[in-house]
Amino acid sequence: ETGVTQSPTHLIKTRGQQVTLRCSSQSGHNTVSWYQQALGQGPQFIFQYYREEENGRGNFPPRFSGLQFPNYSSELNVNALELDDSALYLCASSLAGQAGEQYFGPGTRLTVT
Amino acid sequence: GEDVEQSLFLSVREGDSSVINCTYTDSSSTYLYWYKQEPGAGLQLLTYIFSNMDMKQDQRLTVLLNKKDKHLSLRIADTQTGDSAIYFCAETGGSYIPTFGRGTSLIVHP
Repeated sequence: ETGVTQSPTHLIKTRGQQVTLRCSSQSGHNTVSWYQQALGQGPQFIFQYYREEENGRGNFPPRFSGLQFPNYSSELNVNALELDDSALYLCASSLAGQAGEQYFGPGTRLTVT
Repeated sequence: GEDVEQSLFLSVREGDSSVINCTYTDSSSTYLYWYKQEPGAGLQLLTYIFSNMDMKQDQRLTVLLNKKDKHLSLRIADTQTGDSAIYFCAETGGSYIPTFGRGTSLIVHP
């Protein structure tokens, strides 16, 4: 059984640029959630995807968008990067209806300069 | 919005028990969770409890829930240096989207 993987591990971008982060969900899991974890904080829910549709969104602006593919892998896109977007971005997979029983990837550390 | 509060730090001696506390505000919480995060890693689900339970034990871990006071605790028996990590409490209400606390950093010293 393959766990949740994310790429890249680290990324440095400049303010105003765009970034795409990728996630492969755990085998058999059909739901993917994305979180932003700022330094010293708990994860903040960005959005969740189920069957390739957005299925819940946290308090993040529209420049945060996502995709889920038929194989349940997912992308997080962030446009017009701001310095405050610097954080660890975590992807978590689960079965539908069991969002709390999630399995997290190791995260992508994004630094915006 | 709903809130989850945890103390930021806990220091214990190896072999002692650790108790990490959490309070939450969502009265419609259905599930409550404890996650562990080691440096440079994602979160690992340790255990969870349904809101209609008041206790759950899983090997060295004991979760206590006081729903009236909206208080959740995680007890780790015989704490080891490998237990040093950040522990997050999380709850899900009707939306099934978890709200996390800021995490408690557990430091285990010899």
